[in-house]
Amino acid sequence: NAGVMQNPRHLVRRRGQEARLRCSPMKGHSHVYWYRQLPEEGLKFMVYLQKENIIDESGMPKERFSAEFPKEGPSILRIQQVVRGDSAAYFCASSQNPGRTQETQYFGPGTRLLVL
Amino acid sequence: AQSVSQHNHHVILSEAASLELGCNYSYGGTVNLFWYVQYPGQHLQLLLKYFSGDPLVKGIKGFEAEFIKSKFSFNLRKPSVQWSDTAEYFCAVNTNAGKSTFGDGTTLTVKP
Repeated sequence: NAGVMQNPRHLVRRRGQEARLRCSPMKGHSHVYWYRQLPEEGLKFMVYLQKENIIDESGMPKERFSAEFPKEGPSILRIQQVVRGDSAAYFCASSQNPGRTQETQYFGPGTRLLVL
Repeated sequence: AQSVSQHNHHVILSEAASLELGCNYSYGGTVNLFWYVQYPGQHLQLLLKYFSGDPLVKGIKGFEAEFIKSKFSFNLRKPSVQWSDTAEYFCAVNTNAGKSTFGDGTTLTVKP
């Protein structure tokens, strides 16, 4: 029973390049969440997606960041024209049905992005 | 909007000492509460969770937490810490609406 998968685990980009982070939710989960963890800080919510829909993107920066969760395949968090301040750990979580009570989000291992 | 406050940024203990990490949240409605642990270089692991019922919940590795509704608190405790408990601990709140809100974390260092 595989957990939440993220790849790559480590990603190095130069300023101005694009970063693509992938997340495959747990089997049977159709809800995906992306969080960012800056050094010395806690996790900050970025975006919540269901298959083919963005449910809540209140934590996403207005520019350069986008996310999708297509009908087939993993969820993608895309950062265009990366800057040094984008260096962080990006965690994906998934859940089965957040409308239920006693719903738990399960986290992936994270992608650590370093922008040179 | 909900928020989570963890009082201690860094805690240093000797092995066998007792641990209590504070967590307070701000939200007027029903909440689900979680404690996660993050070992160096690893991902978040769920320690324990509270949804309803008995306010004293037991988790893995000997950890427990008590939900005190009147104080909006969900403090994490362990009677006797081990060196292997050295990690960062995060308290989180979820309101069944999707996103979780995390505290800034408490770094626990246990000296052997």
